Amino acid sequence: DVKVTQSSRYLVKRTGEKVFLECVQDMDHENMFWYRQDPGLGLRLIYFSYDVKMKEKGDIPEGYSVSREKKERFSLILESASTNQTSMYLCASSLFGVTGELFFGEGSRLTVL
Amino acid sequence: AQSVAQPEDQVNVAEGNPLTVKCTYSVSGNPYLFWYVQYPNRGLQFLLKYITGDNLVKGSYGFEAEFNKSQTSFHLKKPSALVSDSALYFCAVRDPNAGKSTFGDGTTLTVKP
Repeated sequence: DVKVTQSSRYLVKRTGEKVFLECVQDMDHENMFWYRQDPGLGLRLIYFSYDVKMKEKGDIPEGYSVSREKKERFSLILESASTNQTSMYLCASSLFGVTGELFFGEGSRLTVL
Repeated sequence: AQSVAQPEDQVNVAEGNPLTVKCTYSVSGNPYLFWYVQYPNRGLQFLLKYITGDNLVKGSYGFEAEFNKSQTSFHLKKPSALVSDSALYFCAVRDPNAGKSTFGDGTTLTVKP
């Protein structure tokens, strides 16, 4: 089975802190994605990546950056966390191309105080 | 820009009755459509997809969906609901050119015994 692992299920951070969310997949997928999920807003795409060292902005990239140094790992970085970034963050991966389904991690629930 | 609408926030059905969760989409070009399910405090799981071919698609756990191009719809169905089907359901459309997925806001399905 495909496994997408997010390093932290629950985090509590303070405003202004730098936050790292890590995601690792074990199926050699080329595509990786970061979404945030908020009640009533569905999933919104923050960043995605088709290959190592490449990244594309999604619909809501402001306040976030990403890093993909290795194929299996895609990190989301909040340079200076703010309270409006309190959310559930979901990492996903898929095979190269556009017809494959997404495989999701269990999510990281971030609270910024 | 592509978009997905799930017109019902909540669907309630009795166990054993058929269920339908509605989804309409807007995309330029051929649509790649997906349904995902999310159980509490978990990531999303893939249910089924339409890429091409037969308009009726069968997926996991007895779910199926019907692609209707003229009505731009992709409704999720199941002939006989189970209490264990209670969850949050997301419809998604994948951009055939860019590869990123756009999700609906989700529909909470509650199946009562």
